[in-house]
Order: sequence, then C-alpha cells, then structure tokens
Amino acid sequence: GQQVMQIPQYQHVQEGEDFTTYCNSSTTLSNIQWYKQRPGGHPVFLIQLVKSGEVKKQKRLTFQFGEAKKNSSLHITATQTTDVGTYFCAGLIYNNNDMRFGAGTRLTVKP
Amino acid sequence: GAGVSQSPRYKVAKRGQDVALRCDPISGHVSLFWYQQALGQGPEFLTYFQNEAQLDKSGLPSDRFFAERPEGSVSTLKIQRTQQEDSAVYLCASSADSFLAEAFFGQGTRLTVV
Repeated sequence: GQQVMQIPQYQHVQEGEDFTTYCNSSTTLSNIQWYKQRPGGHPVFLIQLVKSGEVKKQKRLTFQFGEAKKNSSLHITATQTTDVGTYFCAGLIYNNNDMRFGAGTRLTVKP
Repeated sequence: GAGVSQSPRYKVAKRGQDVALRCDPISGHVSLFWYQQALGQGPEFLTYFQNEAQLDKSGLPSDRFFAERPEGSVSTLKIQRTQQEDSAVYLCASSADSFLAEAFFGQGTRLTVV
C-alpha cells in the first residue's frame, strides 16, 4: 500500500483559481520528487527537493519541502487548462531503497 | 534511444498464461525501476536494479513475479500464471544514477488478464 499519503484525491477548479496538493509521509524522506501524468500518459518528472525547508519555483508552480522532511506541497497559481492531469509526489524513504509514490491528485480545470 | 521504451504497449493474457514485459532504458542509465499502476492509483514500487544487480525486490507482490536485467541494460518483468488482479499498467523508469536523479518513465505496458 501507499506509504506516502497525498491529498486531496481530486480537485476541480475554475480556470484562474489556485490549486494545492499535499504530500505526507510517516517517516523521514531523503528527497521528494514531483511528477505530472496526463490522461493516458506516463509520469513526467517536474522537480526534486532535497533540503529541509527547500522551496523551488517553476513559473506558476511552487514546490515546498517541510522542515522535518516528512511533507511537501505543490501549489499552482492561476491554473490553466494545460495544467490538467494527475500530480504525484514520490518520496525516497530515508535509509531505504524504496521510492514510494503517493496516490496522486487529479486536477481538472474548467475553462 | 531517446527515451525509455517498453513493449508491448498492450497485452491481453488469459488467466494462467505467462507474460514477459520488456523495458529498454535510456542508454547509459544505471538505475532501472519497475512499477505497477492500477487504474486511478499511483505507481506502486515493484523492484529496482542498479546495473545488473537487483538491489530491491520487496515490492514484487508474489513469487509469480520475476524481473531480470542480465547485462545491465534491457530488463524483463515476467509474470507467471497470470491472475485477474495482475491487470494493471506496468511502468518502467530509468535514471542516470541513484534515486537522487530524475527518473524517466516509459509509456508503460497495459496488461489485461481475462
């Protein structure tokens, strides 16, 4: 089962609204990666966070890694229809070889 | 090749049949992962190779699942005596180094067991 929890499972927004998905782990993570999967497609790498408290931005996307390295978030400002897809976090469990994916947040955007 | 290639893209198997799924990683990539993705779910880790060494196979759901990467490049995931619950998309990913590197995913093989 999923060791990395992700919420919400679904999010439907009006175009221009903001969107946030949250990722939580019960154990410390060495790093966290975020992926986007379009319907019918495969996961595509977005970004990786390694340092405690790290914040990275990619245009309208802001990624955060918690101070305790157990949680992360992805925030999209002013969503566009091209943002549609499922966003997955994937955490490398500290002292383990497993890269565990969250169940994903499926984002739909109404134009 | 330019990306990770998986074949076949689609496979329909009769229950009890054996199947073999192939993954061609990006040339030179050291790490290779297999994931199982059920409809509407996130990818579930199956196994991990570093070159030809299978370092972690803790995610393989049963002894009917077997993976190999004999020469450290192409990998094959074999499922024996397929069951309906094996129906899923099987994703392969490779990365240049360890887990700290970006993983590139193939298009996946959609397995349907009837």
